[in-house]
Amino acid sequence: GAVVSQHPSRVICKSGTSVKIECRSLDFQATTMFWYRQFPKKSLMLMATSNEGSKATYEQGVEKDKFLINHASLTLSTLTVTSAHPEDSSFYICSARALGQGQSYEQYFGPGTRLTVT
Amino acid sequence: GQSLEQPSEVTAVEGAIVQINCTYQTSGFYGLSWYQQHDGGAPTFLSYNGLDGLEETGRFSSFLSRSDSYGYLLLQELQMKDSASYFCAAPHNQGGKLIFGQGTELSVKP
Repeated sequence: GAVVSQHPSRVICKSGTSVKIECRSLDFQATTMFWYRQFPKKSLMLMATSNEGSKATYEQGVEKDKFLINHASLTLSTLTVTSAHPEDSSFYICSARALGQGQSYEQYFGPGTRLTVT
Repeated sequence: GQSLEQPSEVTAVEGAIVQINCTYQTSGFYGLSWYQQHDGGAPTFLSYNGLDGLEETGRFSSFLSRSDSYGYLLLQELQMKDSASYFCAAPHNQGGKLIFGQGTELSVKP
């Protein structure tokens, strides 16, 4: 159980275009989803916290108009990278906490999406 | 602010025991988690310590000392497949937002 999927797994786009990445919890409901960015050989950097039915909370330094997050249902959150530039190329990973998880802080991670902007 | 420090890399041989340390500075404390990530893959949850002491799950154990702001992950009977990056992580608040350490790259040699 507790499977999180991401789509696409890999995407190449041209500079100036927008890319949407989907994160789905397949067998549980997720009130909260998180979006991370990871550079090679580096740690996961939290970009934003996405709560179902409300606006996402962005970390300091993350442009909310560039990285649009929508959490329309208890099983789906999307990250849209708008007007992508080569410096946006990275590995984007989502994670989810299950509804009713209480004091357990375990997060279930998706397999990641590798974005390359040319 | 919040920060977690861990060694950048560790090398060990098959069958050995290795300990990966993590020291933390947090404004509030809600426990310490450990995640494993193979190259190009998703992080997977290994363990969580909310209270002081040792948690054991098979070959992996994790320890926490809140008074020392310190924890470690212990891997026993190392196997080649244990070569990966290991991250300690602390919830920032009760909302579950995780702050990750920089990661320790473990290389297991034959």
